[in-house]
Amino acid sequence: GNSVTQMEGPVTLSEEAFLTINCTYTATGYPSLFWYVQYPGEGLQLLLKATKADDKGSNKGFEATYRKETTSFHLEKGSVQVSDSAVYFCALSDTGGYQKVTFGTGTKLQVIP
Amino acid sequence: DGGITQSPKYLFRKEGQNVTLSCEQNLNHDAMYWYRQDPGQGLRLIYYSQIVNDFQKGDIAEGYSVSREKKESFPLTVTSAQKNPTAFYLCASSTGQGYYQETQYFGPGTRLLVL
Repeated sequence: GNSVTQMEGPVTLSEEAFLTINCTYTATGYPSLFWYVQYPGEGLQLLLKATKADDKGSNKGFEATYRKETTSFHLEKGSVQVSDSAVYFCALSDTGGYQKVTFGTGTKLQVIP
Repeated sequence: DGGITQSPKYLFRKEGQNVTLSCEQNLNHDAMYWYRQDPGQGLRLIYYSQIVNDFQKGDIAEGYSVSREKKESFPLTVTSAQKNPTAFYLCASSTGQGYYQETQYFGPGTRLLVL
């Protein structure tokens, strides 16, 4: 079956530091890959996505590149802000009929001033 | 503004009681989903519906029931058979066109606590 593995948190960074959150996946087909973000007490919202190998998704300074050879989709940001503090979920959606999404366990990011 | 609303924000359940969580969307989406979120476990799919009057069990459907009588509404009932209902429940929707690139849009969630 499909699975998504994320680095365990929490990740604590100082403001303006570089962020990497690792994500690797296992899938039977050619999945689409997503990063969702969850702010405290809220639902998830899409941060970025990539639908095929070598695609780069980007939004709000965050980037992730779909690497089929390493089955990875690592999230990066060059300079984090306090407002980036949230839980980040990596997810995949596989081909073939109904769109079932498999989520990782989430990585909590805390940015301190 | 289009979006998904969930109510209530907090819900308390007594032993042996059924409770119903509301989910409404005005995005004109065909597909709707219910997830359960527990600390350290990510999101797990309870039920999903691709069209009105049809729904399917997800990975952890035992102790839950749903209905889909209207396109915009997908209520979830947590029955007394669910022995560990304390969790954060998230409702989501997508266009339901069957494309695996679809984004899911989430509501703000309902936190269910057992008294």
